[in-house]
Amino acid sequence: GAGVSQSPSNKVTEKGKDVELRCDPISGHTALYWYRQSLGQGLEFLIYFQGNSAPDKSGLPSDRFSAERTGGSVSTLTIQRTQQEDSAVYLCASSWASGGEYEQYFGPGTRLTVT
Amino acid sequence: SQQGEEDPQALSIQEGENATMNCSYKTSINNLQWYRQNSGRGLVHLILIRSNEREKHSGRLRVTLDTSKKSSSLLITASRAADTASYFCATDAAGAQKLVFGQGTRLTINP
Repeated sequence: GAGVSQSPSNKVTEKGKDVELRCDPISGHTALYWYRQSLGQGLEFLIYFQGNSAPDKSGLPSDRFSAERTGGSVSTLTIQRTQQEDSAVYLCASSWASGGEYEQYFGPGTRLTVT
Repeated sequence: SQQGEEDPQALSIQEGENATMNCSYKTSINNLQWYRQNSGRGLVHLILIRSNEREKHSGRLRVTLDTSKKSSSLLITASRAADTASYFCATDAAGAQKLVFGQGTRLTINP
């Protein structure tokens, strides 16, 4: 079946512009995660959604970052007034439910470059 | 603070040799997972080991977990060029609903 998809695969934007990154999780997965990965680094947790519960936003680095998940499916990560330090690969993952006992399925990521 | 830290940061071996990567973490966990990442894009789940397990096998992969030392190891036997990738451990602090990933080990298999 279809895996996790993300769009766009690459995004180049000018400093100060807003960007929206999209994630389509695997159908039926109730948990959805966003991570950020800088070049050669590990994954930095940003936010996760579990069903209809309030999202865990504890990893968002600033109030310029926000995310929503509509209808328990598609999620959009929005970065306002982008800065050069926002340049990274943004990865989305979904799983049957939240919790460390569930395998996470990752999308291919969106490479964001802020010039 | 970082929950999982891999060691070494980079490892280069000859094809056919075994590769061992280690992961240390700081707080009690319920589960530990290992993932592989090719070319800096999406991660692929390899294996999950629960806190009450000491060893698991999956094909050429062997994972051990020592909760007293708060460490895990991933062994890849009879390595192949296709095993070249970055490998990450991820842990869930007890009671947490999310995984925390380490910095990863970059493994290079030389033909």
